[in-house]
Amino acid sequence: GENVEQHPSTLSVQEGDSAVIKCTYSDSASNYFPWYKQELGKRPQLIIDIRSNVGEKKDQRIAVTLNKTAKHFSLHITETQPEDSAVYFCAASINFNKFYFGSGTKLNVKP
Amino acid sequence: DAGVIQSPRHEVTEMGQEVTLRCKPISGHDYLFWYRQTMMRGLELLIYFNNNVPIDDSGMPEDRFSAKMPNASFSTLKIQPSEPRDSAVYFCASGRNEGYGYTFGSGTRLTVV
Repeated sequence: GENVEQHPSTLSVQEGDSAVIKCTYSDSASNYFPWYKQELGKRPQLIIDIRSNVGEKKDQRIAVTLNKTAKHFSLHITETQPEDSAVYFCAASINFNKFYFGSGTKLNVKP
Repeated sequence: DAGVIQSPRHEVTEMGQEVTLRCKPISGHDYLFWYRQTMMRGLELLIYFNNNVPIDDSGMPEDRFSAKMPNASFSTLKIQPSEPRDSAVYFCASGRNEGYGYTFGSGTRLTVV
């Protein structure tokens, strides 16, 4: 089955700096890659996603890039704010079905 | 739309007791997923349904766990008998075949003492 690895496990940045979280996947058939944000004690919420026919997608301060050849994808958050502090999960799936999640990155944005 | 609704939000039970977790997916969603989240193992997919039919239950840890989806608007996850190592947050999520990710419910925090 698919194996998704996520790095780093924790990330601490100063408010206003950028944050980058990286994931790799093993199954070349994976074609959908969502990112979820989970605040403490709350549910994971979809923040952005990308499909395999696109190399980059941006939504305001967040962007995701995908390198199909290398089988890795990354989340970029610019101008970080304290409210960006949360655990972020990447995932990979084939045709939107079974999602394989990474182990999560705890992002701490220091004011 | 009220989103994915799970009940109860918290459950504390004694070892050996039966526990039933409930989920109401978003109307129109044809996929339903049960996940378990722990610090040690992260988000684990237990089972998922498509059009009320179980598709993949390979993540169900053992025979003590069972899940049903009698209709498009309701699913249960049952643990019988429960054990302390079952303590976790159990999430239900639903989605449409067209993708756009899942929507998670608020989760049930289960504590088995």
